Amino acid sequence: GNSVTQMEGPVTLSEEAFLTINCTYTATGYPSLFWYVQYPGEGLQLLLKATKADDKGSNKGFEATYRKETTSFHLEKGSVQVSDSAVYFCALYRSSGGYQKVTFGIGTKLQVIP
Amino acid sequence: AAGVIQSPRHLIKEKRETATLKCYPIPRHDTVYWYQQGPGQDPQFLISFYEKMQSDKGSIPDRFSAQQFSDYHSELNMSSLELGDSALYFCASSLGGGGAYGYTFGSGTRLTVV
Repeated sequence: GNSVTQMEGPVTLSEEAFLTINCTYTATGYPSLFWYVQYPGEGLQLLLKATKADDKGSNKGFEATYRKETTSFHLEKGSVQVSDSAVYFCALYRSSGGYQKVTFGIGTKLQVIP
Repeated sequence: AAGVIQSPRHLIKEKRETATLKCYPIPRHDTVYWYQQGPGQDPQFLISFYEKMQSDKGSIPDRFSAQQFSDYHSELNMSSLELGDSALYFCASSLGGGGAYGYTFGSGTRLTVV
């Protein structure tokens, strides 16, 4: 079946540090890939997405590139801020017949300290 | 813009009681998904509905049932509540197969079973 593997947290960084959160996936065909962010006490928000190989999703300074050859979708940001502290979920969507749902990774907690 | 509305935001129930969670999708969205997120865990898919019919089923206990109504809102009914049902319950909506472009999640209902 479909699955998403992402690095366990928490990840603690100083403000303005470079961020990488690794994500790899297992799926047949060509799934759509996402990063969702969950701030404390809030719901999930779609951060960025990529729907085909070599696509780069970007939003709010975050980027992730859909790498079919390595089945990866790593999240990066050049300079993190305290306000980026949240839990980040990598996810994939694969539609096959009547089977349609998003599969999430375990989430990676990011803590940015001033 | 209108978002996915969930009610109530918080709910406290005793063991063996019944709870009903409601979800109002984004206008014109015809697909609703329910997820359960335990403390510190990734969201787990429960069930989904497309055009008022169940479209997919995940790890939803037999004690739970759900339906989608003619106005596309959905209700998750939970009976014989157990302590382990305490979690954040998210609803998401999309337009048809729009899950490929990411869901829109509600802010969730936090259920506490005491």
